Amino acid sequence: DIQMTQSPSTLSASVGDRVTITCRASQSLSSWLAWYQQKPGKAPNLLIYKASTLESGVPSRFSGSGSGTEFNLTISSLQPDDFATYYCQHYSTYSRTFGQGTKVDIK
Amino acid sequence: QVQLVQSGAEVKKPGSSVKVSCMASGRTLSSYSFSWVRQAPGQGLEWMGRITPMVGIANYAQRFQGRVTITADKSTSTAYMELSSLTSDDTAVYYCAVGPPDDLWGLGTLVTVSS
Repeated sequence: DIQMTQSPSTLSASVGDRVTITCRASQSLSSWLAWYQQKPGKAPNLLIYKASTLESGVPSRFSGSGSGTEFNLTISSLQPDDFATYYCQHYSTYSRTFGQGTKVDIK
Repeated sequence: QVQLVQSGAEVKKPGSSVKVSCMASGRTLSSYSFSWVRQAPGQGLEWMGRITPMVGIANYAQRFQGRVTITADKSTSTAYMELSSLTSDDTAVYYCAVGPPDDLWGLGTLVTVSS
C-alpha cells in the first residue's frame, strides 16, 4: 500500500502568514493527489485535486503544487477561517490513502 | 443539487455488526464511486473501501479486509457499509463520499461500540 506522510503535524501561524504543508508519498502518484480542509465536527471539504487544480468555490489563496512523490499545499495569506486541519489524499479508481493531517492553529 | 444522506447514529455491543447507509439524493450518480471513510475521536481520516454502483465491485483497505462489506443499490443510488466483529476501537464517525476526487461528502454517522 502507498503511505502518505504529512509535515508538519502542527503549524502555528498568524493571520496574513504564508503557510506551506508538505505531503510525501512512498511511491510515485503522478498527480493523483487531493487536499482537504476539515473543521471540528464537520466533514472534510475538498480544496485541491489533481495536485494543483482548485476546486470550484475555493478561495484563490489556496494553491497546490508537486508531482511524483512530493506535494505542497500553500495558503498565501492565512485568514481566520483557515484555522483547521488539512489532509492530503492519494486517490485512484480503486483506492484512497490519507496523510495523518496537519493542524493549523493560531500563534 | 446532489446531497449524500446517511443513516442515523448507532450504538452497538462488542462483537456485533453495524450497517450504515448513504443515499445520493437529487439525481442519479452514474459512473461515480462511493467511498467510506472513518474518523475515530480526535484522530485522522481513515479510508475503508469503495464501490461503483454501476459495476458493483468493491475494493477494501487491507486493514479492513474480511471485516467490512460495501454494497450498493444502483436503482436508489444508495451505498451500504457493514462492519463486523466490532470492538471499542471501531467507535468513530463514518463518512461516505462520492468521487474521485471525493468532492461530495455525507454529514457522517456516529457509531459507538460499548458494552
